[in-house]
Amino acid sequence: NAGVMQNPRHLVRRRGQEARLRCSPMKGHSHVYWYRQLPEEGLKFMVYLQKENIIDESGMPKERFSAEFPKEGPSILRIQQVVRGDSAAYFCASSPRPGSSYNEQFFGPGTRLTVL
Amino acid sequence: QKEVEQNSGPLSVPEGAIASLNCTYSDRGSQSFFWYRQYSGKSPELIMFIYSNGDKEDGRFTAQLNKASQYVSLLIRDSQPSDSATYLCAVNMRNNNDMRFGAGTRLTVKP
Repeated sequence: NAGVMQNPRHLVRRRGQEARLRCSPMKGHSHVYWYRQLPEEGLKFMVYLQKENIIDESGMPKERFSAEFPKEGPSILRIQQVVRGDSAAYFCASSPRPGSSYNEQFFGPGTRLTVL
Repeated sequence: QKEVEQNSGPLSVPEGAIASLNCTYSDRGSQSFFWYRQYSGKSPELIMFIYSNGDKEDGRFTAQLNKASQYVSLLIRDSQPSDSATYLCAVNMRNNNDMRFGAGTRLTVKP
């Protein structure tokens, strides 16, 4: 059973470009979470999605950032007009269907975004 | 007040000693609690979870939960150099699949 998949693993963008980060949850998982981690810092919650729905986006910056989890395909975190401060590791996690007794989240390998 | 607080460390213990990692949380209605380990440059991996007050043991790891004090801890017995990592405390807010992480405690186990 494949784990959480993220791609690309490393992404380099110049200021002003767009960054698209993809996440495929574990098989059978319908909850996806995105986190950002700056060097030497903890995980910062960004957004929580279920298929076709954004459940909680309280951690998302108001501008330039958006996320989706379509009915088919991976979840996408999109950053428009990137700035150097967006350089970080972006982790995706997934958890089981609603009603599960366990709400633990399983993490993907992360995407390291570098903005030049 | 932060939702989940941990001492950032670094915490240094000698090989074979007990490492004690602590975490407090602000939401009294939180129901489930998790400890993740993160090696440098890697993604977090789940070590343990706990839902009920008291202790839960798994090999060399023991999680302790005190809901009245809003406190959760992780003990690592017979610490090994391979345990050197950052340990993240995570709290499931009101049992709704919405989780918040502490900033993590960096542990170093010295041979």
